[in-house]
Parts: sequence; structure tokens; C-alpha cells
Amino acid sequence: ETGVTQSPTHLIKTRGQQVTLRCSSQSGHNTVSWYQQALGQGPQFIFQYYREEENGRGNFPPRFSGLQFPNYSSELNVNALELDDSALYLCATGSLETQYFGPGTRLLVL
Amino acid sequence: GQQVMQIPQYQHVQEGEDFTTYCNSSTTLSNIQWYKQRPGGHPVFLIQLVKSGEVKKQKRLTFQFGEAKKNSSLHITATQTTDVGTYFCALRAGGTSYGKLTFGQGTILTVHP
Repeated sequence: ETGVTQSPTHLIKTRGQQVTLRCSSQSGHNTVSWYQQALGQGPQFIFQYYREEENGRGNFPPRFSGLQFPNYSSELNVNALELDDSALYLCATGSLETQYFGPGTRLLVL
Repeated sequence: GQQVMQIPQYQHVQEGEDFTTYCNSSTTLSNIQWYKQRPGGHPVFLIQLVKSGEVKKQKRLTFQFGEAKKNSSLHITATQTTDVGTYFCALRAGGTSYGKLTFGQGTILTVHP
């Protein structure tokens, strides 16, 4: 494992609010990807950042945005939260051979 | 984009029985990865297969990639309670988009002691 960490571990927000989730890794890989995993579902790809630029997006609206910093840490921002945004949010980093996932942030939108 | 269908959705076994999950596609796949997610946990990488007919083993786990590269399987011999979890297959995108994984629906494995 490459020490992928995420914060916070749990978060409760209300509909319409904004949230920022964070991800960091000790590995130094130059990509970071974010996934949304609803209860009982497989992870759904939100987007990937490669060398600080968004490099591919899944079927998610623009209110999902992100940043990757020079130290390869990353943020996922979600604006105008909706009830359906309640999920486990995972970040991942790695290479062509493998991806290492962080423990995730569990977001509940009320 | 490419998608994979994973079956079965659920599998309940007695400890010591074997378990197999299958991942199928209608199109040729360039690669397939397998992940395990324990209850309350996050996906953990198990293996990547890229070659036609490839077979890889990890202790009691055997991974296969079909000759036509349209299907893959994960077989666990003599399951243990530590094998409990959801097993996902996933397709990795190419080029610099290798962080984009498309996951199957997963197979939830329950092992009864």
C-alpha cells in the first residue's frame, strides 16, 4: 500500500451546501482519481487529474470539481449538494499496473 | 464506453467450499483488474490481466483472462471467513487516463463458518 489518506472520514451536510474532500498520498504518483460509491454499488469514476490538469471525467455534472496540487494531494469539491450525493467518496492513485484506493469519506446529505 | 457484466451478484458458501465470480464483455478487452472490498472498507487491488488466456495464481486465488479477451474469472479454492467481501472486476482506460476504472457490479461473497 502507498499510504493514501483521505479526510474527513465522515461528514454530514444539508442539501444545497458545499463540501470539500481531501486526499493525499506518500507515493508521488502523478495521477489522482476520484470515485463515488453509492451503497451497494460499484465505484463510479468522477474524474482524474494528471499533472494538475483534469484528464477525463465520468458522467458527473460540473458542480463536481477538483484540484490537484504540486505535491500530488487533491481536493474534490461538490457544490449545491443533493440528497443523491450521499455516498462513499474514494480517491485513488497509482500506475498502469495498479490503483491504490484511500479509505474514503462517507458523506451523508440530509 | 466499454462495460462489463459481473455474475453472480451474490454468493453464499460454507467455509471450505470453492467460489467463482465471472466478468463478461461483448467487446474485446485490453485489460482487466480485480479488486476486493471488505465490508466497510475500500477496494484493494488484487491483480491485473492483459494477455489472452492468461492465468495467474495468488495462494488460493486463481485469475483467468479468456482466450478472446472478452471474459475473466476469479476462483477461490477452499474459502475462508477472511474471504468475505465484494469482488469487483474493473477495466482500466488507456494512455494517461489509466486512473479511470470502469467497475463491474461486483459479487458479494458470504462465507458461513
